[in-house]
Amino acid sequence: QSALTQPASVSGSPGQSITISCTGTNSDVGAFNYVSWYQQHPGKAPKFMISEVSNRPSGISNRFSGSKSGNTASLTISGLQAEDEADYYCSSYTSSSTVVFGGGTKLTVL
Amino acid sequence: QVQLVQSGAEVKKPGASVKVSCKASGYIFTSNDVNWVRQATGQGLEWMGWMNPNSGNTGYAQKFHGRVTFTRNTSISTAYMELSSLRSEDTAIYYCARVGAPVAADYWGQGTLVTVSS
Repeated sequence: QSALTQPASVSGSPGQSITISCTGTNSDVGAFNYVSWYQQHPGKAPKFMISEVSNRPSGISNRFSGSKSGNTASLTISGLQAEDEADYYCSSYTSSSTVVFGGGTKLTVL
Repeated sequence: QVQLVQSGAEVKKPGASVKVSCKASGYIFTSNDVNWVRQATGQGLEWMGWMNPNSGNTGYAQKFHGRVTFTRNTSISTAYMELSSLRSEDTAIYYCARVGAPVAADYWGQGTLVTVSS
């Protein structure tokens, strides 16, 4: 199972919006609405941000939103803040009953 | 509050095995699946598999089939990951995580660094 494809890096200025894409296949992202997103700061464990494409758990800012079209899922962060600078990972359930992660995207807040 | 506390760092020689523990608290241990995920230094997250603590049923990523085993001790709310035939490429931080939403890990352990070196 190949990793989902994410851009290696994205950047934005405080207050701006950015979108991170996560491209899979019709055996994972395209087949199921089980795409999740995680935030990871350096030296820390990943933090759960989004489940089932667009569901935000309690405590996660509504500045974070998820969507999906075909084989590509997206995470949008609006009103960028300095503390959003981190690595972001998507994951998806697959037709093999496994989970696959994306390669990760480093977000830089300029 | 939900917590997953993992065992400490390990240094192993190539060919050896390692067993990492993950003690759960703040919820009913048998109510949620546990995933294991690893991360090599400077690399991305890699899903290793899942375990249902209630039934003991497991599922492993193809890459680790035959080398990894997930077990649990429900009396002490602890999950275990054992990886055998270690090689240098297995050097990584190993995380346990609770599956709290459909196919999503909502709480993570602090990670356990496993170093494989001769």
